[in-house]
Amino acid sequence: AQKITQTQPGMFVQEKEAVTLDCTYDTSDQSYGLFWYKQPSSGEMIFLIYQGSYDEQNATEGRYSLNFQKARKSANLVISASQLGDSAMYFCAMREGPRVGNQFYFGTGTSLTVIP
Amino acid sequence: ETGVTQTPRHLVMGMTNKKSLKCEQHLGHNAMYWYKQSAKKPLELMFVYNFKEQTENNSVPSRFSPECPNSSHLFLHLHTLQPEDSALYLCASSHDRGGGGRNGPEQYFGPGTRLTVT
Repeated sequence: AQKITQTQPGMFVQEKEAVTLDCTYDTSDQSYGLFWYKQPSSGEMIFLIYQGSYDEQNATEGRYSLNFQKARKSANLVISASQLGDSAMYFCAMREGPRVGNQFYFGTGTSLTVIP
Repeated sequence: ETGVTQTPRHLVMGMTNKKSLKCEQHLGHNAMYWYKQSAKKPLELMFVYNFKEQTENNSVPSRFSPECPNSSHLFLHLHTLQPEDSALYLCASSHDRGGGGRNGPEQYFGPGTRLTVT
């Protein structure tokens, strides 16, 4: 079974609108971390936001927020006030366990296009 | 600029060649990673080094050989590759804050090496 599932291969959003990118995960661990990364066409993976499994509040970083629903095992990324520079691939990722070196799983990504 | 550099950015090599990819991090991190990114597939974690010790090797073929001489440098030595090894190879680093229930930290990635095997 896939550890990370991103069901939207491509998304379009109007500039200045909000968009939600879906992510569901599969783990039996109690301790895990969820991450979102952005990958522009240049190839570099840029860290956006992190949510720990024990965090009770949804993570926020500027225009990014993570809608964490633990019971549903979902960790959707919300981008508010989209900008043209937000056009990129977005990857959801999970790390199981507390240690560095534990397995890190990525989804297949969602391609976001922001329309002027 | 994320503090993780990779060289070369592009590499074309024949199946009989030997080459090396280099990664350097300037962030004071103590863990480094190699990933392979192929089209339409999730990122695949290849190797993990924590405090210079290899902690994960996800059944990677022996034609890929990692080397981590110190916590700032990571190499991936390549030999007798196959065309299906053509991909973007990404290096990342993170800081291990120790055990417990918290699952940060995030990884910081380099720009990648686009490898083409002919």
